[in-house]
Amino acid sequence: GESVGLHLPTLSVQEGDNSIINCAYSNSASDYFIWYKQESGKGPQFIIDIRSNMDKRQGQRVTVLLNKTVKHLSLQIAATQPGDSAVYFCAEQRGKLIFGQGTELSVKP
Amino acid sequence: KAGVTQTPRYLIKTRGQQVTLSCSPISGHRSVSWYQQTPGQGLQFLFEYFSETQRNKGNFPGRFSGRQFSNSRSEMNVSTLELGDSALYLCASSLATGSTGTNEQFFGPGTRLTVL
Repeated sequence: GESVGLHLPTLSVQEGDNSIINCAYSNSASDYFIWYKQESGKGPQFIIDIRSNMDKRQGQRVTVLLNKTVKHLSLQIAATQPGDSAVYFCAEQRGKLIFGQGTELSVKP
Repeated sequence: KAGVTQTPRYLIKTRGQQVTLSCSPISGHRSVSWYQQTPGQGLQFLFEYFSETQRNKGNFPGRFSGRQFSNSRSEMNVSTLELGDSALYLCASSLATGSTGTNEQFFGPGTRLTVL
């Protein structure tokens, strides 16, 4: 079936710590994944993407890891800041976007 | 350049009414997709339009429809509104020149629809 899920609905971290948000997907044929950030009152915003021919991709303070063997991907945010507080979604794109349920990240000062 | 704009931002309707939402994509983007976001179901794909043609469709009843104009602006319509249609409706645009549409999608702020 089509489903992309996240392990935890909420995550609370201390400012300056690293955050890890996890996501499991069910379709082994999926070949393109994206992480989105959604702040209150706004639409999802692209953070980083990864294709299935890669297992790691780095951006500015963010890293996405893809483990195709167990159909799992994660988003790592280094030195988490208050501005990182938002809901994070992983999504699989095959023409349309199939979203997971989201993880709400709260950053404590 | 200007981002994706959606109008109206907020809307209140009653059951049985119909509603039309509008989306203006980023200039040069030819693909527009619509998504419904609710606390219970999360973000769900409604449909995608490319060059005025519906290219992809999600699992929503026929009460949900859309169209795209020659300038790439898109509208979606929901007829015979139900309480469960209360949601944030998001529009996303992309260049999406290929049939698989793997180009990055840029989202608008959404239209918050409340059905009473």
